[in-house]
Amino acid sequence: AQSVTQLDSQVPVFEEAPVELRCNYSSSVSVYLFWYVQYPNQGLQLLLKYLSGSTLVKGINGFEAEFNKSQTSFHLRKPSVHISDTAEYFCAVSDQQGGSEKLVFGKGTKLTVNP
Amino acid sequence: DAGITQSPRHKVTETGTPVTLRCHQTENHRYMYWYRQDPGHGLRLIHYSYGVKDTDKGEVSDGYSVSRSKTEDFLLTLESATSSQTSVYFCAISERQGPYGYTFGSGTRLTVV
Repeated sequence: AQSVTQLDSQVPVFEEAPVELRCNYSSSVSVYLFWYVQYPNQGLQLLLKYLSGSTLVKGINGFEAEFNKSQTSFHLRKPSVHISDTAEYFCAVSDQQGGSEKLVFGKGTKLTVNP
Repeated sequence: DAGITQSPRHKVTETGTPVTLRCHQTENHRYMYWYRQDPGHGLRLIHYSYGVKDTDKGEVSDGYSVSRSKTEDFLLTLESATSSQTSVYFCAISERQGPYGYTFGSGTRLTVV
């Protein structure tokens, strides 16, 4: 079964600074990766996804992620964060077992952007 | 979120009582999922459905059952609620299998006292 590890449970950063949220996945022949964001008291919203092709994936709100097969990583980055980016971010991998596809999530990283 | 509604949004119940959470979608999607979210654990899959009356277990299915009698509704039942089932429950839908990602509901916060 696929799994993901989010290496930081909390990341504090100042406004307008760059940020990187780290995610590693278990190795597989083919892998589909996702980043979701959860704002306080809300559901999860898809930020971006990697299916194939270019290893640099651009998402909403200025976020991007880079797929690195040799390091089995899919880190999320933003060059300049805003207060409104304060949220919890989840990395997820598509796991295909028993003929059905399910998303497996990491434990989440809480990003706090301070003024 | 447009097209997917969870009810109730909040519920407090007593240990040992049955509880049913409802997920309703208007997207006519085939696949529906129930996850629970707990601090330090992220989201964990409870049960999922791949069609009317077709359901299967996820990684944390003990103590939970599900039913799907119509495409639009996916019910999660806690047969006899325990304090360990205090959590936020999310429903998600997907149009088809594959790497397309899910659309999530707004969640149900359940407290078992």
